[in-house]
Amino acid sequence: QTVLTQPPSASGTPGQRVTISCSGSSSNIGSNPVNWYQQVPGMAPKLLIYNNDHRPSGVPDRFSGSKFGTSASLAISGLQSEDEADFYCAVWDDSLNGHVVFGGGTKLTVL
Amino acid sequence: QVQLQESGPGLVKPSETLSLTCTVSGGSINSYYWSWIRQPPGKGLEWIGYIYDTGTTKYNPSLKSRVTISADTSKHQFFLKLSSVTAADTAVYYCARRSYDDSSAYYFDVWGRGSLVTVSS
Repeated sequence: QTVLTQPPSASGTPGQRVTISCSGSSSNIGSNPVNWYQQVPGMAPKLLIYNNDHRPSGVPDRFSGSKFGTSASLAISGLQSEDEADFYCAVWDDSLNGHVVFGGGTKLTVL
Repeated sequence: QVQLQESGPGLVKPSETLSLTCTVSGGSINSYYWSWIRQPPGKGLEWIGYIYDTGTTKYNPSLKSRVTISADTSKHQFFLKLSSVTAADTAVYYCARRSYDDSSAYYFDVWGRGSLVTVSS
């Protein structure tokens, strides 16, 4: 049972805008910045968004992150076929002396 | 740029100890947190723990009793040991660098390719 709740799947057609939610609690998202990772099948995860809404260099501005209260969202605009991947939110949780928690992951399908 | 490479046995027997090494190249091992993260086949990511260059460690509470992370900064390597393994420990094990920005927000910005470890007799 994961601490952060994500929808198991999401989908969209090329050019559409898709959002993926990540729901947590006051001890994690409510208190600490959220990061998002993209994982193409068979590959290692890649940092997509850090500190709620910051993009590392090289990540297209089609990807954006936001946080409100104990929830966070990842938005992908202008969906492209190469965006098909698994997406994970992650955050520090202050409970149990502190540890990193990941969401269960959302599989994005580009139709 | 910094690259990470996991190495170690791909097969471990139940009840034995899983041991992996992560070699850091192209950058300093100092002033960063170095983590292990695993992913069982077809499942999500699970943080195992990290070590800071001073030797400070922190572990996932669910694995704490079985995990040891250590480092040899002179060799640019850090290590994972997971004891008393069972089939549930079968996973791809990733090493990753945990960086931070000016506001002390932490994130995993560099990942190894991963090493599949299967627990089976």
